[in-house]
Amino acid sequence: EIVLTQSPATLSLSPGERATLSCRASQSVSRTLAWYQQRPGQAPRLLIYDASSRATGIPDRFSGSGSGTDFTLTISSLEPEDSAVYYCQQSRDWPPYTFGPGTKVDI
Amino acid sequence: QVQLVESGGGVVQPGGSLTLSCEVSGLTFRNHGMHWVRQAPGKGLEWVAFIRSDGSNQYYVDSVKGRFTISRDTPKNMLYLQMNSLRADDTAVYYCAKDKGVAYFDLWGRGTLVSVSS
Repeated sequence: EIVLTQSPATLSLSPGERATLSCRASQSVSRTLAWYQQRPGQAPRLLIYDASSRATGIPDRFSGSGSGTDFTLTISSLEPEDSAVYYCQQSRDWPPYTFGPGTKVDI
Repeated sequence: QVQLVESGGGVVQPGGSLTLSCEVSGLTFRNHGMHWVRQAPGKGLEWVAFIRSDGSNQYYVDSVKGRFTISRDTPKNMLYLQMNSLRADDTAVYYCAKDKGVAYFDLWGRGTLVSVSS
């Protein structure tokens, strides 16, 4: 099973600042990695898939990069509504699909 | 407008059974694989099960194999999760999610809470 780790666990930033979230895989997942946003009390929402493709309706301030074992989600200019937990997820080796433990972004 | 609406959650005793349902609307259900993903209170996301668009194959996380069964009724646009021999660690919000490319989860329901407790 591929294990994903995320850092930092919590990120506290101000509106307009840049957020950089990391996800590391225990073995290569090529580019089969996604990022999800989960706001408090809501279901997760797909942000990025295939490491760098934005999902439908996702603002362009969200971008993804990386391949192999190291990935980054960047939020270029934080908005208050970006306060959420962000999860990475791999689909290179399944079942099972696996998620990282999440990074909480406080704004 | 695409909607996924889960139902069937509740409180059940350890060893009991429960069936979750997910009604899908606004898309051609027969064209899409479907997943169940759960989230224990205050914890992260855990993928539970996947069924292909034609229902030909089902896949499970090891911790639920032999206890949970994912199924679909395509004419009714319904997805199900039959859960038997429930344990305390099955307590979670259960989300149904639409598959994207046999890889990702691109549309989610709001979830239904399952609580396993005596």
